[in-house]
Amino acid sequence: QQQVKQSPQSLIVQKGGISIINCAYENTAFDYFPWYQQFPGKGPALLIAIRPDVSEKKEGRFTISFNKSAKQFSLHIMDSQPGDSATYFCAASMKNTGFQKLVFGTGTRLLVSP
Amino acid sequence: NAGVMQNPRHLVRRRGQEARLRCSPMKGHSHVYWYRQLPEEGLKFMVYLQKENIIDESGMPKERFSAEFPKEGPSILRIQQVVRGDSAAYFCASTRGVDEKLFFGSGTQLSVL
Repeated sequence: QQQVKQSPQSLIVQKGGISIINCAYENTAFDYFPWYQQFPGKGPALLIAIRPDVSEKKEGRFTISFNKSAKQFSLHIMDSQPGDSATYFCAASMKNTGFQKLVFGTGTRLLVSP
Repeated sequence: NAGVMQNPRHLVRRRGQEARLRCSPMKGHSHVYWYRQLPEEGLKFMVYLQKENIIDESGMPKERFSAEFPKEGPSILRIQQVVRGDSAAYFCASTRGVDEKLFFGSGTQLSVL
């Protein structure tokens, strides 16, 4: 019940295309859903996050779509660029155990081809 | 403003030795989290500390692992009598407050021979 399932494991997108990564969770107590971007040899960096009171959040080329009834959320990267090539992790947490006690998905390795 | 500093970046230990991983949080941050990342897996929460206090260690193995965050100096994650299964990347993260943005360090890659 504490798992966050992430797909696909890897993704190849052409420059200018849309990258879509999906996550699903079981625990309805989760109420904070961040996405992290990790480059090789670096720690994860917060990209964008959403709370369940909204269905979509957009920051620049990055959009989170959230479906509370389906217990799913996804990251869309519009106009994907080679510099977006990295591993992306979805995560979830809940207020009563602390928002930073995160349960991470297994990651998606994104390659944006020039 | 330097980010979260972890050292060493790489640590090689033989089975049975001790590993000590250090983490200096960002300036002004008093909350520290440790996560472990196994190959091809996501990060797993280990422990949450504030200055001189362990707040939540529910993700840390009961034996051989310990963590501290003293009043002065870095947070330390200590693994005694390491085994091959301890080989992983260990990430430290810090935040100013409980609900504020989490900043990760670049990690310590532990290899156990």
